[in-house]
Amino acid sequence: GQNIDQPTEMTATEGAIVQINCTYQTSGFNGLFWYQQHAGEAPTFLSYNVLDGLEEKGRFSSFLSRSKGYSYLLLKELQMKDSASYLCAVRDSNYQLIWGAGTKLIIKP
Amino acid sequence: GAGVSQSPSNKVTEKGKDVELRCDPISGHTALYWYRQSLGQGLEFLIYFQGNSAPDKSGLPSDRFSAERTGGSVSTLTIQRTQQEDSAVYLCASSTALVSRGKNIQYFGAGTRLSVL
Repeated sequence: GQNIDQPTEMTATEGAIVQINCTYQTSGFNGLFWYQQHAGEAPTFLSYNVLDGLEEKGRFSSFLSRSKGYSYLLLKELQMKDSASYLCAVRDSNYQLIWGAGTKLIIKP
Repeated sequence: GAGVSQSPSNKVTEKGKDVELRCDPISGHTALYWYRQSLGQGLEFLIYFQGNSAPDKSGLPSDRFSAERTGGSVSTLTIQRTQQEDSAVYLCASSTALVSRGKNIQYFGAGTRLSVL
């Protein structure tokens, strides 16, 4: 079967750095997505990786290793508004998105 | 509209009743997806529409679930004879195309929270 694993919950301090990991086993690979979802709101797109390496976008970066079936989302200079769930999703060989259960990130002052 | 719009935002119903959930995608987006989000689980794909093609219904959990998309725009997800296990957030997303290459980002609505008593 297809599987996306990410930690259920993480806690970090305002101003610090946090890394959220995602490992996957899917039928084929056509890209990996990270979304942010605040409670009760729509998931919003953060990043997309299809080749190995690091993609940087402001305070957020996403890394991919296809050979290891592994990605991480790195958040720098954490702000209270970064408290949210972070969803990892992989597009499989049928171009369907397979979703992880999400990581709830709690930011403390 | 500027974004994906879903209605109602909350729906409480009694077991056995039928419900209809509505999704209004971003103007010009030809692909539309329905997902179900339950607590502690990843988004579960339900159904997807692409233009005038036959919809991909492979994710619908039972024949009590159906969806239609009229005029290539607004979509309605119908759940007949609701059960308590149908309680979840139902999310709709749209994108510019099914995908062949590239990001093809899915843009989501805020969802309908369905509670079946």
